[in-house]
Amino acid sequence: ILNVEQSPQSLHVQEGDSTNFTCSFPSSNFYALHWYRWETAKSPEALFVMTLNGDEKKKGRISATLNTKEGYSYLYIKGSQPEDSATYLCAFPSNNNDMRFGAGTRLTVKP
Amino acid sequence: ETGVTQTPRHLVMGMTNKKSLKCEQHLGHNAMYWYKQSAKKPLELMFVYNFKEQTENNSVPSRFSPECPNSSHLFLHLHTLQPEDSALYLCASSREQSSYEQYFGPGTRLTVT
Repeated sequence: ILNVEQSPQSLHVQEGDSTNFTCSFPSSNFYALHWYRWETAKSPEALFVMTLNGDEKKKGRISATLNTKEGYSYLYIKGSQPEDSATYLCAFPSNNNDMRFGAGTRLTVKP
Repeated sequence: ETGVTQTPRHLVMGMTNKKSLKCEQHLGHNAMYWYKQSAKKPLELMFVYNFKEQTENNSVPSRFSPECPNSSHLFLHLHTLQPEDSALYLCASSREQSSYEQYFGPGTRLTVT
């Protein structure tokens, strides 16, 4: 994998459902893996920056895991709420200067 | 409010115009970035400044010219743009490059006619 890939492209869930999505990135020359949330008409907002293999981070109902050896990260949302509706982006510094973003997973949570 | 401001928020310009986008951060960060968001494409990094020095230029056409006079301000000078340059231009800053979270401004929606 030369670029950052995210799946699925979009996701529709009901309020209260738990959900997860994937970010795949090159497993060589790892520096860090970023997750951002981008709500419509707002700026992207940082959720997590992960640097260690096996790392797990949590912020409220949102958590993320990291596997640098196989090149993937999962983002989990427990008990989705309508305010969680946003595009979730992951980004990977391909060297110490560049930053590659995935296309994002667009999450819609229906009340 | 993220601490990163951008002006103008919207800009319409002709292909022969010259205009500038401005970004300012009040976070004491040392790295600043310009990104381009085109329709149905991922965010693309255009320029990176670290401690006021440009460290990355991702093969951006010369009709885009960045300027970083100090660690708090970043400009993107535009001249003789093409309609395909119409996009959302986002500025971001971070404490340092790569391993630190980035704080994004609200963006400038640019339309080239």
